Amino acid sequence: DVKVTQSSRYLVKRTGEKVFLECVQDMDHENMFWYRQDPGLGLRLIYFSYDVKMKEKGDIPEGYSVSREKKERFSLILESASTNQTSMYLCASSPDTSSYNSPLHFGNGTRLTVT
Amino acid sequence: RKEVEQDPGPFNVPEGATVAFNCTYSNSASQSFFWYRQDCRKEPKLLMSVYSSGNEDGRFTAQLNRASQYISLLIRDSKLSDSATYLCVVNLVRDNYGQNFVFGPGTRLSVLP
Repeated sequence: DVKVTQSSRYLVKRTGEKVFLECVQDMDHENMFWYRQDPGLGLRLIYFSYDVKMKEKGDIPEGYSVSREKKERFSLILESASTNQTSMYLCASSPDTSSYNSPLHFGNGTRLTVT
Repeated sequence: RKEVEQDPGPFNVPEGATVAFNCTYSNSASQSFFWYRQDCRKEPKLLMSVYSSGNEDGRFTAQLNRASQYISLLIRDSKLSDSATYLCVVNLVRDNYGQNFVFGPGTRLSVLP
């Protein structure tokens, strides 16, 4: 089974802090994604990466950056946390483009609260 | 128009009922389709992929109509444990790289004893 591991289930941070959310997958997947999920807004794509050191903006990249130094690890960075970034953050991975019938595999999520 | 739309719900049904969820998508170039379920405060988990010929997995049947850009999920003999939010997901492979998974807003199902 594919395993996608997010480093923290719950995080509480203060406004202005720099926050790192880590995600590791063990299936050698090329594609990795960061989403946030908010009530009434569904899942929204923040950033994705289709290869090491490659990254692309999703629908809501403002206030976030990402890092993918190794294939298995995709980090989401909140440069200066704000209260409107309080949310559930979900990391996901999928195989390469040629396997477009392959689904997303999610980590168990990080619930971030910014006070 | 939203890229992926679903029945607004919630659906409240008795145990043993049959329930159907509908989903429409706007991009005719979409290439793969999935149903996920999401329990409260948990991550989405793959329920089933949706194939053009339709497919079944136990009590669950998924259908795809590419001409109408419509996907459905049928749950027969519903169980209390089926209570969850069901997400319709459409994948469009981007030019030359990556994938673009677009999520519907979800339909909440409550199966009542």
